[in-house]
Amino acid sequence: QKEVEQNSGPLSVPEGAIASLNCTYSDRGSQSFFWYRQYSGKSPELIMFIYSNGDKEDGRFTAQLNKASQYVSLLIRDSQPSDSATYLCAVNTNDYKLSFGAGTTVTVRA
Amino acid sequence: GAVVSQHPSWVICKSGTSVKIECRSLDFQATTMFWYRQFPKQSLMLMATSNEGSKATYEQGVEKDKFLINHASLTLSTLTVTSAHPEDSSFYICSARSGRGVTNEQFFGPGTRLTVL
Repeated sequence: QKEVEQNSGPLSVPEGAIASLNCTYSDRGSQSFFWYRQYSGKSPELIMFIYSNGDKEDGRFTAQLNKASQYVSLLIRDSQPSDSATYLCAVNTNDYKLSFGAGTTVTVRA
Repeated sequence: GAVVSQHPSWVICKSGTSVKIECRSLDFQATTMFWYRQFPKQSLMLMATSNEGSKATYEQGVEKDKFLINHASLTLSTLTVTSAHPEDSSFYICSARSGRGVTNEQFFGPGTRLTVL
C-alpha cells in the first residue's frame, strides 16, 4: 500500500468552478500535511499546510483534514486558468521527511 | 523569506562524467536538506536526507557511492552524480528545512535538469 494516495486525474474544471482534490495516507501517526502546486518543468511550491482536524482557508484555497479517516483534501474555489498545474499532497512522516503522492493534474478550461 | 537556490538550473554532460549540483538556503539556516529526483510525469522521490556536519542518510535503492552528498554548512549542500549515465537523466530538486515551528515545512529549490548523453 502506498503511503500517500491521491485521486487519479486529470481533473478538468471550467473557469470559475470548484476543483476538489483528495488525498489519503496510511501512517496514522502523521502530524503535518501539505499541498504543493507544481507547474510543468518547475519545482513544487507550497500552497497550504494543515495539522489540525477541520478546515483551513487561505484565499481561494481550503484544506480539510480528517485524521480519523486519514484523509486530507484541497478545494480551489473560483478556479482560474493559472491554477492549471499538478497538485501534490505530502505528509510528514518521521525524521521530518515528506512522503508525496503521485499528484493530480488539474486543467481549468477558460 | 525562505528562499532556496540551486545551481546549475540545467546541465548536459557526457556519459561517464561527474556533475555537481549546489543547493543553498539564502535567508535562513537549514538544519536539514533533502534531495529529490523526479522523472517525467512521476512524483518526487526522496533520495537522501542530509544534516549539516554529518553523513547523509540515503533512501533504500539509492547508491550512496554514486550520489555523493556533502552538507558542509547550514546554508549549503551539494549533490555529486558520479560517473553519470543516461538513466541518471532527471530533474533533481533540493529542499531545506529551517527547524523552526511545528509544521516541518520544506522550502524547495528551483530544480536542476540533468541530461546525460
